[in-house]
Amino acid sequence: EIVLTQSPGTLSLSPGERATLSCRASQSVSSSYLAWYQQKPGQAPRLLIYGASSRATGIPDRFSGSGSGTDFTLTISRLEPEDFAVYYCQQYGSSSLYTFGQGTKLEIK
Amino acid sequence: QVQLQESGPGLVKPSETLSLTCAVSGYSISSGYYWGWIRQPPGKGLEWIGSIYHSGSTYYNPSLKSRVTMSVVTSKNQFSLKLSSVTAADTAVYYCARVGCNGGSCYDYWGQGTLVTVSS
Repeated sequence: EIVLTQSPGTLSLSPGERATLSCRASQSVSSSYLAWYQQKPGQAPRLLIYGASSRATGIPDRFSGSGSGTDFTLTISRLEPEDFAVYYCQQYGSSSLYTFGQGTKLEIK
Repeated sequence: QVQLQESGPGLVKPSETLSLTCAVSGYSISSGYYWGWIRQPPGKGLEWIGSIYHSGSTYYNPSLKSRVTMSVVTSKNQFSLKLSSVTAADTAVYYCARVGCNGGSCYDYWGQGTLVTVSS
């Protein structure tokens, strides 16, 4: 089973700043099968990025994804107030199994 | 617009079976895609439970496999989850979702989630 480790656990930034969130896999993940989600309190997760770098429908272009192999990054270029939330990475691997990272909480500084 | 809605008891006794249904609108399950269940214990992260195709083909999380059964009722455009022998550790918000994206690599549409508490 592939384990995804996200860092940092909590990221404190101010609106307008740039956020960089990391997701590291215990073994190589196909770039096609790495996704990122945003979750706000009391809400279901929302798909942001799939295929490591493709934005989902309706996602602003300040969100971008990159990476390959075992290291992936979600970048938010200029934080808006509504971006403060918890972010999860997720991979789809062999035997059609899915795993999620433990999440990074992005909080207002 | 694809919409999913979970339903089922909010309280289940220990050792009993948790049963949830996900009603899908805006898309016919029998047209394709896998459909899945994900859960989130209070204050914790997301855990994948399993996914199912309209044909009945399933994939389950190995850690839950012995207790999980998923099924589809295409005539009602619904799919279901049963989790047996529940304990307090199964208390969570349970989400149903569609497996979308390229090659079924992620979940693109989600239900709002339903909280299930395991307690006597």
